[in-house]
Order: sequence, then C-alpha cells, then structure tokens
Amino acid sequence: GDSVTQMEGPVTLSEEAFLTINCTYTATGYPSLFWYVQYPGEGLQLLLKATKADDKGSNKGFEATYRKETTSFHLEKGSVQVSDSAVYFCALTLNRDDKIIFGKGTRLHILP
Amino acid sequence: DVKVTQSSRYLVKRTGEKVFLECVQDMDHENMFWYRQDPGLGLRLIYFSYDVKMKEKGDIPEGYSVSREKKERFSLILESASTNQTSMYLCASTSGSRSYEQYFGPGTRLTVT
Repeated sequence: GDSVTQMEGPVTLSEEAFLTINCTYTATGYPSLFWYVQYPGEGLQLLLKATKADDKGSNKGFEATYRKETTSFHLEKGSVQVSDSAVYFCALTLNRDDKIIFGKGTRLHILP
Repeated sequence: DVKVTQSSRYLVKRTGEKVFLECVQDMDHENMFWYRQDPGLGLRLIYFSYDVKMKEKGDIPEGYSVSREKKERFSLILESASTNQTSMYLCASTSGSRSYEQYFGPGTRLTVT
C-alpha cells in the first residue's frame, strides 16, 4: 500500500549545523508531498509542500525537493536554530481526496 | 487565519466512561478528520467526514464513533473508554477544494485510568 518512511529520531544537532531528515515514499499514483512540523504542545502545521516531480518546496529556511526517480522528499536546512526543535512529519496525498498519509515523525533537538 | 479548536487540552477519564472530544473549525471547511498520535506510531486516522452527517472510517475506527451535526463541529466519541485509548487526539480540517493542506487543532491528551 501507499506509505511514507522517514528516518527515526531523535536527531540531535548543535545550533548552526546542517540538517537533513530523510523521507522516502511508496505510492501507486502521483502524490503530492508535504513536510509538517509539530512544536512542543501544539498541533501540526504545514511547513512546505511540492505537488509534482522536481518541484522544490521551501519555507523558514527549510527546503525539500520532490525526487520521483528516487521516490524521496528529504528535508534540509543549512543552519538550524534552537527554535527548530520540534517533531517533523513527512506526508503524502494521492490527490483523490483530502486524506493524507503521514510518516511516523522525527524528533529534532537543537542544542545551543 | 484558520482556527481549529479542541474542547480540552488535557482530560483524565476512568475505564468504562463515555468520553466526548469536541473539535470546532471557523473557516467553513468541508472536511474534518480525527487522528490519534502515539510515540513510534505517528498519526493514525480514526474517522473523517466530508460533509454534515457524513462519516467514513479511517484506519483504526474500532472503539470510536463520530458525530457531525453541524459543518463546523466534529465530535469523537469513545463509547466505553479503555486504557489502550490513552493517547493524544488531534483534529484537522481542510477546505475540500483539493488544497490538501490540513489545519490542525492543538490536540487533547487523554488519559484513561
């Protein structure tokens, strides 16, 4: 079935380090891809999205490129901050309805 | 801004109690969803609704029911709470115009003792 696999956490980095969180997907059609972020004590919020192959989503210094050939959508940021500490979810939708399939989430800790 | 609110942030109930979790959105969204979030399991879809009085089962509907009498309100009901329903419950909504962005409430952390 359709699914999303992302790297297990927690991921711990020092401030200003480079971040990569890996995400790969399996889908029967042509999905749209998302990264959601959940800050402590809050619900999820959309961080960025890409709707077709080779699209790059970006927001708040984070980027992810839709790679159809490798079925991947890795999240990157060049210089992380303590305020980026959160849980990050990779997700997809197959555009048939509004249902979204989420990965299990990756907890990120940034040390000052 | 879209706002999705949930009736309680924290709730403690006893085994066997009937529990109501309420979710309200203020953007006239068509679609609403209930998830539970557990460590190591991510988000799992319980039920969703595409319109008033409509409901569809998600991936883990057992032990739950829902009610959508008004467009803005989507209630999750635990008919007889059990300890394995201790979890974080998240409500979300979307516009239904294939925007695909789900707007989430802050969550209700339910503990069943």
